[in-house]
Amino acid sequence: GAVVSQHPSRVICKSGTSVKIECRSLDFQATTMFWYRQFPKQSLMLMATSNEGSKATYEQGVEKDKFLINHASLTLSTLTVTSAHPEDSSFYICSADLGWGTDTQYFGPGTRLTVL
Amino acid sequence: QKEVEQNSGPLSVPEGAIASLNCTYSDRGSQSFFWYRQYSGKSPELIMFIYSNGDKEDGRFTAQLNKASQYVSLLIRDSQPSDSATYLCAVKGGRTNSGYALNFGKGTSLLVTP
Repeated sequence: GAVVSQHPSRVICKSGTSVKIECRSLDFQATTMFWYRQFPKQSLMLMATSNEGSKATYEQGVEKDKFLINHASLTLSTLTVTSAHPEDSSFYICSADLGWGTDTQYFGPGTRLTVL
Repeated sequence: QKEVEQNSGPLSVPEGAIASLNCTYSDRGSQSFFWYRQYSGKSPELIMFIYSNGDKEDGRFTAQLNKASQYVSLLIRDSQPSDSATYLCAVKGGRTNSGYALNFGKGTSLLVTP
């Protein structure tokens, strides 16, 4: 159980385009999902916390107008990188917690974004 | 001061030996502690979590927590080459906008040599 999927796994786009990444909890309902970014040789950095039916909470330094998050259902959260630039190239990973008083987060397989 | 500190390594151990990975954290109010394993190019995979002081064992893995010293460790017994990966320490409840988020260390690279 506790499977989280992400789509696409890899995307290459031109500078200035927008890219949407989907995160799905496959066998449980996730009230809360998290979006992380990881640059090479660096740790995971939390970008935002996504709560179903409400606005996402962004971490300091993360532009909410550039990284649009929508958590429209208990099994789906999306991250849209708008007007992507080469410096946005990174490994984007979502996670979801099981709720019900548990702490454990399960991670999706990640999306490798390359902006040319 | 970074909230979760890990030695980046690489830590090299021979096959069959015990690998010891360490982590310190700065937020004394932290309550939940996690170890994740991350292979190159992959997302983190949960190994263990620990909430209480002392040891917690799961197969070849033992997590140790000392809240007074703000220290958490992971021991891997009978290390195998397949254990070669980066091990991430994560602490819940750090200084982020959301109390539910995990704070990650940079990870320790482990290399198990045949």
